[in-house]
Amino acid sequence: EAGVAQSPRYKIIEKRQSVAFWCNPISGHATLYWYQQILGQGPKLLIQFQNNGVVDDSQLPKDRFSAERLKGVDSTLKIQPAKLEDSAVYLCASSLDWGPDAYEQYFGPGTRLTVT
Amino acid sequence: KQEVTQIPAALSVPEGENLVLNCSFTDSAIYNLQWFRQDPGKGLTSLLLIQSSQREQTSGRLNASLDKSSGRSTLYIAASQPGDSATYLCAVNPSGSRLTFGEGTQLTVNP
Repeated sequence: EAGVAQSPRYKIIEKRQSVAFWCNPISGHATLYWYQQILGQGPKLLIQFQNNGVVDDSQLPKDRFSAERLKGVDSTLKIQPAKLEDSAVYLCASSLDWGPDAYEQYFGPGTRLTVT
Repeated sequence: KQEVTQIPAALSVPEGENLVLNCSFTDSAIYNLQWFRQDPGKGLTSLLLIQSSQREQTSGRLNASLDKSSGRSTLYIAASQPGDSATYLCAVNPSGSRLTFGEGTQLTVNP
């Protein structure tokens, strides 16, 4: 079974530039998550999708971050414009579903963003 | 607000030693708890998932326990090997969706 795929693996941009990350979840997984992991910290959820609808985006900085999952499969996360504090690893995860049955989340390799 | 704490932040042990990593959380109303491993520059690999109704899970040399009432979980690694060197993250699932992570324990197993 193929895992969660992410690209690019690394990206270096200057502040105020734009950047986009792509994620392809495990086939058949309805729920997709984007997490931000700053160096030395645990991941923090940015946004959760159920199919192509948003379940939770309460921690997404909406003035500069946006995300979409148009066909309920792949997802893109965009930052525009980037700030120095956006330097982090952006992790995509997926699960079969979400809710009290406690579905396991599977993570991709992440995209390491450096903003200079 | 759920907070997750992992102790110690870093641990260095000789090969072959048995060790325990600790995780505590402030709100016992959780659906499950997951332990992950993260190698440098890599994503997270799920090690064990404990449902809220369970007390422990085992996989090979790994054993994770959960005590919801006290807000604690431990990850026991038997006969540690240099290949076990990584950062270990604990995450709780309070709502069936988002995971709340601790900051991790960086483990080094010396040959």
